[in-house]
This record gives sequence, C-alpha cells and structure tokens, in this order.
Amino acid sequence: DAGVIQSPRHEVTEMGQEVTLRCKPISGHNSLFWYRQTMMRGLELLIYFNNNVPIDDSGMPEDRFSAKMPNASFSTLKIQPSEPRDSAVYFCASSWTGGLSGNTIYFGEGSWLTVV
Amino acid sequence: RKEVEQDPGPFNVPEGATVAFNCTYSNSASQSFFWYRQDCRKEPKLLMSVYSSGNEDGRFTAQLNRASQYISLLIRDSKLSDSATYLCVVLNQAGTALIFGKGTTLSVSS
Repeated sequence: DAGVIQSPRHEVTEMGQEVTLRCKPISGHNSLFWYRQTMMRGLELLIYFNNNVPIDDSGMPEDRFSAKMPNASFSTLKIQPSEPRDSAVYFCASSWTGGLSGNTIYFGEGSWLTVV
Repeated sequence: RKEVEQDPGPFNVPEGATVAFNCTYSNSASQSFFWYRQDCRKEPKLLMSVYSSGNEDGRFTAQLNRASQYISLLIRDSKLSDSATYLCVVLNQAGTALIFGKGTTLSVSS
C-alpha cells in the first residue's frame, strides 16, 4: 500500500522565490497535517485539515505561508516569498480521526527545503 | 513553557546498557501519550503508546505519572540499532493533533 507521498523530496531555491510543497495522503484518511522540523525548534505543527477543511492553522508562522486541500487526495503548502529561515524539513502526515491515536498517524518522507 | 519538554541529550551508551529518557508535558488535560522514533534523515514512526498503568514491549518500557505530568521510556540491553532520536508525543487537548517534543538522541556504540 502507498504511504503518504510528498514532493519534491529536496528543493534548493533562492530567497524571494515561491516554494510549493505537495502531499498525497493515504487513501481513506480524513485528516492531514503539515509539520516543520528544524534543529532549533524540533517538530512543529503548522496546520491541520479534517475532511479537507482547515481546522487549526495557529502554527503557521506568518502570512508568507499558506496551505490548501482542494480534495481528499491532495494538499499543498506554499511559501511566498521564501526566506533562508524557512529552511527545514516539511513533513506531511495523515490519519483517520475516527479514533486518533499514535498508531493511526503516518508521516511522509519529508520535503527537505533549503533557501539560499 | 513548551507543551512537551524532553531531556536535551545526547545519550551515548555502550551496547547492553540500560538508558532512560524523561519527558514532561504542560497540559494536565492531555489524555494520550506516545513515544516515536526518528532515524537520521527519516520520518518519525510510532514506537509505542504510553498507558496509565505502564506498558512494556520487549526491551522497551514506558511509564506515565499523571500527577507529575511526566512520561518515561526505558530501554534495556541497548543494541546498536537503537541509535536514533526518541520523540515524546502528546495528543493535544482537542484530541485532534499530536504535539511533539524536540527529541532526545541516543547513540549506542560497540
């Protein structure tokens, strides 16, 4: 079975450029999460969707960040304009919230972003 | 105060050693707790849930102290393959998302 699929796996971009990260959750899952991981701050929850609707975006750092989930099988996280401090690993995860517990959240392999 | 705080580490131990990681959480209303493992340059994966009465999975034992808002993970007879970062995780109050600690790095050497 396919897990959570993220793209691109690695991206290097120049400051000021737009970055779009993509995620395909596991089929049948109804919750999707975007996390960001850095050495300094660890793994931070940015936003999560339930049934394609954004429920909590309090973790989104600022207006340069936006996320969408147009349908149950696709989500994007966009950074515009990007800055060097946005360099991090961005993880997408999905779950079935019929009974959310640790064994029902699955992470993608991450998108490694470097902004120079 | 951060929602989930862990020992800073790193822990460097020889094979066969017993090592313990500690974690505290700030929200007394939290109901579910977990330990995740993250290998270098990989995604986090569930290691084990933490139950109120404590639970064991092979060489791994997890304990929860609700009064002190404290969670622990004990690894016995450490193996080289246990080298990883261990993340303490708490389900948020709404029961809708997982909040991660920054992790503790373990390095087991021969």
